[in-house]
Amino acid sequence: DVKVTQSSRYLVKRTGEKVFLECVQDMDHENMFWYRQDPGLGLRLIYFSYDVKMKEKGDIPEGYSVSREKKERFSLILESASTNQTSMYLCASRKKTGGASNQPQHFGDGTRLSIL
Amino acid sequence: SQQGEEDPQALSIQEGENATMNCSYKTSINNLQWYRQNSGRGLVHLILIRSNEREKHSGRLRVTLDTSKKSSSLLITASRAADTASYFCAPINQAGTALIFGKGTTLSVSS
Repeated sequence: DVKVTQSSRYLVKRTGEKVFLECVQDMDHENMFWYRQDPGLGLRLIYFSYDVKMKEKGDIPEGYSVSREKKERFSLILESASTNQTSMYLCASRKKTGGASNQPQHFGDGTRLSIL
Repeated sequence: SQQGEEDPQALSIQEGENATMNCSYKTSINNLQWYRQNSGRGLVHLILIRSNEREKHSGRLRVTLDTSKKSSSLLITASRAADTASYFCAPINQAGTALIFGKGTTLSVSS
């Protein structure tokens, strides 16, 4: 089974801090994704990566950056944390397909981040 | 928008009853996927239906797709308390980029 591991289940940081959320997958998947999930808003895509050293902005990239130096690891960076970035963050991976994706996304269990 | 919209937002049923959730979308799709999320956990892929399929089964799950109406439904038969979760649909267009999820349907199954 695919395993997507997020480094922390719960994290508390202070405003202005630089925050790193780490995600590792063990199935050699090319595609990786970061979402945030908020009550009443559902899941929103922050960034995704088609492969190593590649990144694409999602719907809400402002205030975030990402790093994909190795295929198995996709990091989400909050450059200067703010209280409105308090949320549940979900990482996912997917095997690359030739055309339109018929592959499922595999999710980690999330990191619940609180910015005080 | 590629986003799917689930309906109803919330559904409460008794164990043994069937649960039906609907999904509507706006663009042409290549396939549509359904996911489940237990409280405090990540999403788990349930089933994928391709645009040329009308119905698909997996255990107690039955998914239908009507591309002319741009809608899909997920039926869970003989529900159990363990089916309590949020359910999301994700329509995938030809470009097949990242999945865009709606707000989901929250299903509560009481014993």
